[in-house]
Amino acid sequence: SQTIHQWPATLVQPVGSPLSLECTVEGTSNPNLYWYRQAAGRGLQLLFYSVGIGQISSEVPQNLSASRPQDRQFILSSKKLLLSDSGFYLCAGLKDRGPVNTEAFFGQGTRLTVV
Amino acid sequence: GNSVTQMEGPVTLSEEAFLTINCTYTATGYPSLFWYVQYPGEGLQLLLKATKADDKGSNKGFEATYRKETTSFHLEKGSVQVSDSAVYFCALSDDGSSNTGKLIFGQGTTLQVKP
Repeated sequence: SQTIHQWPATLVQPVGSPLSLECTVEGTSNPNLYWYRQAAGRGLQLLFYSVGIGQISSEVPQNLSASRPQDRQFILSSKKLLLSDSGFYLCAGLKDRGPVNTEAFFGQGTRLTVV
Repeated sequence: GNSVTQMEGPVTLSEEAFLTINCTYTATGYPSLFWYVQYPGEGLQLLLKATKADDKGSNKGFEATYRKETTSFHLEKGSVQVSDSAVYFCALSDDGSSNTGKLIFGQGTTLQVKP
């Protein structure tokens, strides 16, 4: 079965520091991949999605960027973190690009606190 | 745009109590609807889904019915257990014609079940 490895589980970073969160996929190839974020009191908001290597779509303007250097690797980055970047970040995948009701699979998430 | 609204938590119940977590949505077209659950320390897992109006999704004693007339997908369980303590997310597929597998989530509802 397909799984996503996402790390670290928690992270505390100072304002202005860089960020790199990585997730890797096992058990499937050529998935769609997604980065979601949940800020306090809000729902999970889609930040980026990728349908293939080097293909990134951004959903909301922000201080973050994403990259997909390999089929099963999806990276979320920032050059300089802001306090407002604090939140819960979740990597997700979708194993088929066919019917939209195929099941997504998720990593465990990273709780980022910017201080 | 499409959106999902869930009842705010936390919801605290005694074991064997009846559970309802309300979820309503706004969407164009005919999205699929999902309930995801996140147990402490774990990633999101699909709990149940419904792909068209009047479908009932069910799993582990949980049920939800896709109500197009009321744009709702309320989660119910007749008798909760301590092991059901988790965060529950309602979501819909938001693909339009692009078939990208994007999901729109509610803000999540924390359920605490006490023995």
